[in-house]
Amino acid sequence: SQQGEEDPQALSIQEGENATMNCSYKTSINNLQWYRQNSGRGLVHLILIRSNEREKHSGRLRVTLDTSKKSSSLLITASRAADTASYFCATRSGSARQLTFGSGTQLTVLP
Amino acid sequence: DAGVTQSPTHLIKTRGQHVTLRCSPISGHKSVSWYQQVLGQGPQFIFQYYEKEERGRGNFPDRFSARQFPNYSSELNVNALLLGDSALYLCASSPAETGQFFGPGTRLTVL
Repeated sequence: SQQGEEDPQALSIQEGENATMNCSYKTSINNLQWYRQNSGRGLVHLILIRSNEREKHSGRLRVTLDTSKKSSSLLITASRAADTASYFCATRSGSARQLTFGSGTQLTVLP
Repeated sequence: DAGVTQSPTHLIKTRGQHVTLRCSPISGHKSVSWYQQVLGQGPQFIFQYYEKEERGRGNFPDRFSARQFPNYSSELNVNALLLGDSALYLCASSPAETGQFFGPGTRLTVL
């Protein structure tokens, strides 16, 4: 079963705009990760934020984590057409070996 | 350095058949995890192997099995295929028990 949900399910923006995706999860976590997937191919790891962190940056990516609300957001600034992809959040909890993924946000960046 | 490789890329089978999917981890990585991604959903965890031992199993029927070889490559086997087994099967490897490097996946279609 999915750990949580991404919101929105689909997002369409113009090149140069910012894109914000949200992720909610159900159980306490060790860390939360964001992945990108292009056209049903393999997943590319974008960024990891630990449960004791509130914000993290990597290039044009900014991730926030609110453990009290069990939610995270991914902000992509100055979006490009090449950012068009599906974005998934994934959590790791307790002693679990696996990542538990959300249902994903399909981002379309129009040139 | 080569990333995680999976074979075959695509596969078409009929109901009732069995299938073997293969994964070669990044050199030096001892952990391999398998995920199933049905179209429009996030990946779901199937198995994790570390040092040739099963370390985690998701909520999948016994028709699904896997193993890891001394060179850390892995096979995922699915018996008595059902239409619902049609999916993208993803393999991830990591140096420890935290899979983060995903392969391109094997697209399985069951007719």
